[in-house]
Amino acid sequence: GENVGLHLPTLSVQEGDNSIINCAYSNSASDYFIWYKQESGKGPQFIIDIRSNMDKRQGQRVTVLLNKTVKHLSLQIAATQPGDSAVYFCAEKAGGYQKVTFGIGTKLQVIP
Amino acid sequence: DTAVSQTPKYLVTQMGNDKSIKCEQNLGHDTMYWYKQDSKKFLKIMFSYNNKELIINETVPNRFSPKSPDKAHLNLHINSLELGDSAVYFCASSLDSSLNEKLFFGSGTQLSVL
Repeated sequence: GENVGLHLPTLSVQEGDNSIINCAYSNSASDYFIWYKQESGKGPQFIIDIRSNMDKRQGQRVTVLLNKTVKHLSLQIAATQPGDSAVYFCAEKAGGYQKVTFGIGTKLQVIP
Repeated sequence: DTAVSQTPKYLVTQMGNDKSIKCEQNLGHDTMYWYKQDSKKFLKIMFSYNNKELIINETVPNRFSPKSPDKAHLNLHINSLELGDSAVYFCASSLDSSLNEKLFFGSGTQLSVL
């Protein structure tokens, strides 16, 4: 499944399928990008990050892709599990003492 | 061992009251933050302190006053609470605001102003 949203969208995927969560970032000067996962009643938790000198980075079951040309970031989750159900946020940061700016989240619902 | 802990978890209060939220981190980080999350889950930074010094102060009403007695603590005091202050407030920390930007969040304080 694939989703791009301007306000908290919901992506529903079948357990075992791959998920793709998209994010458009705003600042062309941003050089560091992070994905966070927020489960219900908890604070956001770091998943994976990528710097602007890379276009792909892989973690355990997750891959982040960065396309600086179109200012687009995506998070791919392989073999989605019920425990992946959460709200996912992309975040961007320019260099130095600049704030981390969060995008609008995407709610991922995993259907067992 | 909770890395970033904030209290209270829930705060219900009347309009016009003054309240404080406390935050402590035991990660040895230099930088701490306050974020506000609205009902649509949008996360917005309010303040950032690096080694007790204010480095980010977003356009936040001056009813909100952060205080950092030491680099492990960042408290948020809110005067004259308004209905629009109802939100979830998250404290976070990072090793260093310029080099290592990975944020560690507390579990949030849900503030309800009646």
